[in-house]
Amino acid sequence: GAGVSQSPSNKVTEKGKDVELRCDPISGHTALYWYRQSLGQGLEFLIYFQGNSAPDKSGLPSDRFSAERTGGSVSTLTIQRTQQEDSAVYLCASSLNTPGWSSYNEQFFGPGTRLTVL
Amino acid sequence: KNEVEQSPQNLTAQEGEFITINCSYSVGISALHWLQQHPGGGIVSLFMLSSGKKKHGRLIATINIQEKHSSLHITASHPRDSAVYICAVARAGNQFYFGTGTSLTVIP
Repeated sequence: GAGVSQSPSNKVTEKGKDVELRCDPISGHTALYWYRQSLGQGLEFLIYFQGNSAPDKSGLPSDRFSAERTGGSVSTLTIQRTQQEDSAVYLCASSLNTPGWSSYNEQFFGPGTRLTVL
Repeated sequence: KNEVEQSPQNLTAQEGEFITINCSYSVGISALHWLQQHPGGGIVSLFMLSSGKKKHGRLIATINIQEKHSSLHITASHPRDSAVYICAVARAGNQFYFGTGTSLTVIP
């Protein structure tokens, strides 16, 4: 079985343009996570999906960031009117997450998309 | 103040040494995660803990829920263990908080 895949692997864009980043989770994984890692900084949680729903969007840095997930599978992270401070590696992870109290399961990470905003 | 603090930030060890990386957190958690990030950026999940201790090969992870502290130990360290080790805590609702990472270099 394939792991988590992300596309593109690298994206260079001009300031002010919109970008879409794609994540294909492991088949059957109901939970999907987006993180970013800026140069020289730690990981930052952006958003989490359980199925197609995102219970908590508070990690998104600004209203220029949005994410959706369709069919409980592929997710897209969209950044509108990109700024230079958006340059980072955007990582996606998925996990099985069964419902219930112990719903947190091990995450499997994708290789990331390196976004550079000029 | 970060919700998750790791120490040390950087660590250099001789091959064969026993290594300990520490993680302290200040929030209530549902689970704690140790991640490994190699040069080139790929991230691998090493352990997920909610209590006690787990062992995988030369790696051991422990957690003390009362003290809000976890440790990652590497026995008989090897140059291929050189990586950044990241502690992450998961809260109810799947909010995650990350430590800034410990950069480990193991010298042959």
